[in-house]
Amino acid sequence: QSALTQPPSVSGSPGQSVTISCIGTSSDIGVYNRVSWYQQPPGTAPKLMIYEVSNRPSGVPDRFSGSKSGNTASLTISGLQAEDEADYYCSSYTSGDTLVVFGGGTKLTVL
Amino acid sequence: EVQLVESGGGLVQPGGSLRLSCEASGFTLSSYAMSWVRQAPGKGLEWVSGISGSGGFTYYADSVKGRFIISRDISRNTLYLQMNSLRSEDTAVYYCAKAPSVVPAEHDYWGQGTQVTASS
Repeated sequence: QSALTQPPSVSGSPGQSVTISCIGTSSDIGVYNRVSWYQQPPGTAPKLMIYEVSNRPSGVPDRFSGSKSGNTASLTISGLQAEDEADYYCSSYTSGDTLVVFGGGTKLTVL
Repeated sequence: EVQLVESGGGLVQPGGSLRLSCEASGFTLSSYAMSWVRQAPGKGLEWVSGISGSGGFTYYADSVKGRFIISRDISRNTLYLQMNSLRSEDTAVYYCAKAPSVVPAEHDYWGQGTQVTASS
């Protein structure tokens, strides 16, 4: 069981928007703004898409946005494209002995 | 250009040991925190261990505490993970990952991964 909870799958048609939720606790997402999101197409290494809740690294399209409310973080992808199809993972800094926790991952299917 | 190249993975019997290496280029290890993250077959990402930018602080997931040791050699710009008392549940692809700061909270560059299989 992962420390952060994500839906196993989401889907959307090209051009639509989808939102992936990531539910944590008052020991991680609820207390730290160190939430990040990673994209992982099959057979490849993860790629950082969002850091510190809502910041995009250079080169990441502005179609990707992040937010947080209470113990829940969200990743929104607008204007879906076929190339967005991948697994997405949220991550957070935590006050526990384990410094970083990940969500179980969400498979995004572009219909 | 930042590059991370892992090596040292392989097949090992349960109870055995392996040492993973991650050779970094394009930046200096002493300026950034680093982590090891693993992914079991068909499963999600699991953070395993991290080391601060100063090298003075190391961190471990409960699942590996007391069995794995993270370290680095600044002169070789290389990160290591010594894995002892390996179990079947340690079977995974192991990635090294660089943090954009001195704390391993998020990771902006990842290696291609090295496969570790603990099986008899």
